[in-house]
Amino acid sequence: GQNIDQPTEMTATEGAIVQINCTYQTSGFNGLFWYQQHAGEAPTFLSYNVLDGLEEKGRFSSFLSRSKGYSYLLLKELQMKDSASYLCAVPLAGNNRKLIWGLGTSLAVNP
Amino acid sequence: NAGVTQTPKFQVLKTGQSMTLQCAQDMNHEYMSWYRQDPGMGLRLIHYSVGAGITDQGEVPNGYNVSRSTTEDFPLRLLSAAPSQTSVYFCASRANWGEVRLEQYFGPGTRLTVT
Repeated sequence: GQNIDQPTEMTATEGAIVQINCTYQTSGFNGLFWYQQHAGEAPTFLSYNVLDGLEEKGRFSSFLSRSKGYSYLLLKELQMKDSASYLCAVPLAGNNRKLIWGLGTSLAVNP
Repeated sequence: NAGVTQTPKFQVLKTGQSMTLQCAQDMNHEYMSWYRQDPGMGLRLIHYSVGAGITDQGEVPNGYNVSRSTTEDFPLRLLSAAPSQTSVYFCASRANWGEVRLEQYFGPGTRLTVT
């Protein structure tokens, strides 16, 4: 089967750096997504990684290690508006039409 | 572009009632899907469609029907509402059903309560 694990909650301070981890188990890997979801709103796309390494996109970076079944989202220069839930998702093995989602990590940024 | 739109935003039903949640997208996307999101359960796929006239089941299809008569619209029907269907429902679309790397665009959600 497939499984995704993320920490439930994290707190950080405005201006700091935070790393949100995601581990996954899948029989066939076809990339990993990160989405951001503010309370009461819809998820919005942050990144997609399919190759090992770090991809940077402004203040947000996403890292993937396929051999370890591990990814992280790195948020730099934290702002209050970064307080949100961060969702990790992978396509179902053998079926590109279905995504399996983690439960999300709720990040609280404090002043 | 309006993106993905959903109506209604809020709905309260009594057990046994039926209703249709509407979803539309104006981006000419092939792939559309319905999710429900519950505390402690994450996003779970209900049904999806890879084009007009083609639908398939997700993880939790029981109690729900879908149809896709046009590229733009993908309504979700609750046949006989149950309290277990109290949830937030999101519709999402993706440009190409075969391109897994593409981002999904989500609608604003429908908050459904079944009493």
